Amino acid sequence: GQNIDQPTEMTATEGAIVQINCTYQTSGFNGLFWYQQHAGEAPTFLSYNVLDGLEEKGRFSSFLSRSKGYSYLLLKELQMKDSASYLCALPGDKIIFGKGTRLHILP
Amino acid sequence: DAGVTQSPTHLIKTRGQHVTLRCSPISGHKSVSWYQQVLGQGPQFIFQYYEKEERGRGNFPDRFSARQFPNYSSELNVNALLLGDSALYLCASSFNRWSPLHFGNGTRLTVT
Repeated sequence: GQNIDQPTEMTATEGAIVQINCTYQTSGFNGLFWYQQHAGEAPTFLSYNVLDGLEEKGRFSSFLSRSKGYSYLLLKELQMKDSASYLCALPGDKIIFGKGTRLHILP
Repeated sequence: DAGVTQSPTHLIKTRGQHVTLRCSPISGHKSVSWYQQVLGQGPQFIFQYYEKEERGRGNFPDRFSARQFPNYSSELNVNALLLGDSALYLCASSFNRWSPLHFGNGTRLTVT
């Protein structure tokens, strides 16, 4: 089967860096996605990792270790607008999302 | 280009009734998937259709069914509604089963 674990909530300060972790178990790996979801809105795609290593995209980076079943999303230079839920997901015939990590940004 | 469109945006139904939710994917996307999301939780997978065939089904009862049409649009049907079916129903389209998902704004279903 498939399973994803993420921390439920995190708090960080504006301008700081935060790392959101995601651990997963899956029988067949087709990559891992990160999505951002603001309250009351639909999720939007942030990043995709299929090979081990770090993918950088502006202030956001995502890391994958397939052998450890582990990924993280790194957010730099935090802004108030980054307050949202961050979801990791496993694609495939059955698409599994984690429960999401609610990130609170303090001024 | 138009994004994923869902209709209706809001719906109120009574227990025992039936509901049909509709989704139009981004042009060129052949995969449509459906999710149920309750407050404070991540989207829970219901169905995925690719090239008009069901490719995956989540842990939902048989009261939930879906189909994909030749133009790749899709419908989600829920029969014999229960209070616990109240949720945000999200549709997403993607180029194929492993591509990033593009979500519609969802249908907010309330069952009374």
